[in-house]
Amino acid sequence: DSGVTQTPKHLITATGQRVTLRCSPRSGDLSVYWYQQSLDQGLQFLIQYYNGEERAKGNILERFSAQQFPDLHSELNLSSLELGDSALYFCASSVSGGASYEQYFGPGTRLTVT
Amino acid sequence: SQQGEEDPQALSIQEGENATMNCSYKTSINNLQWYRQNSGRGLVHLILIRSNEREKHSGRLRVTLDTSKKSSSLLITASRAADTASYFCATGGGNKLTFGTGTQLKVEL
Repeated sequence: DSGVTQTPKHLITATGQRVTLRCSPRSGDLSVYWYQQSLDQGLQFLIQYYNGEERAKGNILERFSAQQFPDLHSELNLSSLELGDSALYFCASSVSGGASYEQYFGPGTRLTVT
Repeated sequence: SQQGEEDPQALSIQEGENATMNCSYKTSINNLQWYRQNSGRGLVHLILIRSNEREKHSGRLRVTLDTSKKSSSLLITASRAADTASYFCATGGGNKLTFGTGTQLKVEL
């Protein structure tokens, strides 16, 4: 158990819909990262927050947005969903914001868009 | 796009044998990390090696880093069935990690 929690575990929804994925980092970790893992794209970094502020952006679509709240939990919002958005979405946390720290991954949310 | 490329893509060995996975990357890095992922589950951090280090050990794991060749290798000695998983290298630079494509390791009894 990494100490990172993600909800929900599974999500099935239709194209065009909007969903919110939630992540609680390990106690004491200030940085949260979101990743998308699919068979064709592999593990893609989406976005990072550090202590409430956006720190780095990766291959995140404009239809996707995220935020980190004062209690440090984070939410990833996916809108106007397409079939290609079906993937595993992981949240990870680390004690600090740089890439020199190990990241602790949550169990993931499996999103299926039908 | 992936920064790191693991080789081989898949590897099947017998329990007790050693497994070696390689990772090549393209740009300068501050550190390189290896992660393991059991099927459909979250990644687990294995080891971090900094750019000024050449070799690092952790239990049955041995990692080497050659910055001149922009490559790293992960050696798992005396493999066990429980080592069956996908292994990813991740290169660290700036604020983010960039993950490779992974090596699928299968350890058979």
